[in-house]
Amino acid sequence: AQSVAQPEDQVNVAEGNPLTVKCTYSVSGNPYLFWYVQYPNRGLQFLLKYITGDNLVKGSYGFEAEFNKSQTSFHLKKPSALVSDSALYFCAVRDGSGGGADGLTFGKGTHLIIQP
Amino acid sequence: NAGVTQTPKFRILKIGQSMTLQCTQDMNHNYMYWYRQDPGMGLKLIYYSVGAGITDKGEVPNGYNVSRSTTEDFPLRLELAAPSQTSVYFCASSSGAIANYGYTFGSGTRLTVV
Repeated sequence: AQSVAQPEDQVNVAEGNPLTVKCTYSVSGNPYLFWYVQYPNRGLQFLLKYITGDNLVKGSYGFEAEFNKSQTSFHLKKPSALVSDSALYFCAVRDGSGGGADGLTFGKGTHLIIQP
Repeated sequence: NAGVTQTPKFRILKIGQSMTLQCTQDMNHNYMYWYRQDPGMGLKLIYYSVGAGITDKGEVPNGYNVSRSTTEDFPLRLELAAPSQTSVYFCASSSGAIANYGYTFGSGTRLTVV
């Protein structure tokens, strides 16, 4: 079985400071990892993914994430936060050894609040 | 290009009523999914489909049914609404089988059962 943990319900960061949203995962095979963002009353939007290759992946809106196999983590980062980054962020995982048809497993989400 | 379209956006149902949540995509994606989102619980997979005529249960299928008669449409049916089905429902689609293509999500249907 696959699972995702987002240990923080909420992260508060001052505008201009770096931000990190944490994610750890558990899969039996190789992980396919994703970050999505959800703005109020909207669907989820894709930010970035890790499938294979370089452990540091870059995505939309200046976000990046670092895959750490030994710590089974995939933390989302941004060097300088903007107020407009305030949203709900979801980490998701899929076991790459499976067929992939039965969907991603999502974490509970982390509210990111950027204070002016 | 509309992407994934869900209707209605909001709905209030009485206990025991039935309804169909509509989902349509215009990207010719074979894979489609229904999730429900509950506060603090993330997204849970209800049903998914790998192509027209093929559907399968996800993590929380009880109380729901789906059909996939065309590539474009993947409606979700609630037969006897219960308060536990109060949630936000998201439809998503993907072009690839191994999820490395990511999903395109609809904007959601907020359902309240009273």
